[in-house]
Amino acid sequence: QVQLVESGGGLVKPGGSLRLSCAASGFTFNDYYMTWIRQAPGKGLEWVSYISSSGGTIYYADSVKGRFTISRDNVKNSLSLQMNNLRAEDTAVYYCARDRNEIVPTSTFDYWGQGTLVTVSS
Amino acid sequence: EIVLTQSPATLSLSPGERATLSCRASQSISSYLAWYQQKPGQAPRLLIYDASNRAAGIPARFSGSGSGTDFTLTISSLEPEDFAVYYCQQRGNWPPVTFGQGTKVEIK
Repeated sequence: QVQLVESGGGLVKPGGSLRLSCAASGFTFNDYYMTWIRQAPGKGLEWVSYISSSGGTIYYADSVKGRFTISRDNVKNSLSLQMNNLRAEDTAVYYCARDRNEIVPTSTFDYWGQGTLVTVSS
Repeated sequence: EIVLTQSPATLSLSPGERATLSCRASQSISSYLAWYQQKPGQAPRLLIYDASNRAAGIPARFSGSGSGTDFTLTISSLEPEDFAVYYCQQRGNWPPVTFGQGTKVEIK
């Protein structure tokens, strides 16, 4: 069965860095676009970044552009999000999610991980 | 960026009642709208994609409709497990993908 398992969250000071990982299993990882979506405590969902199946096409939300870097390792079936220069407003649960369709992206997400909490505070 | 506005913010209903949730887009997104359900402490779950298509394993009591700027999620008869927060999400003009602010369906 499809599984996405995030890790790497934690407490970090403003200006600090953190690297999130998402381990994928149960499907052909290199056929799917993947995304990161976050949710601040008690708030709604915010799309963060999107990467194509090959890694050749990447998009970021304006709120993280220049600070976050998405990447993937199709050999290790893993997705990553390198977060630099973190701000208090980056505090959220970060979810990795899979595009609903293989090969041709739909920007609709059918499988989500359980999330990992990032807290940015001094 | 396309803004999605969901209404109402909270819907108070009893089990067995019909729930009607609305999502309005700031500009036309054709039928490129999805609905997700989220329960406390859980990840969102895809219910409906492309306005009216149920995702795999989603019960028939969930249905979606609409196109252009106005969309509706209907739960025909609420089950106890349906009390949750529901989000709409557009992919009509991305990036960025955007979400509505959510509608909470609570037990009356």
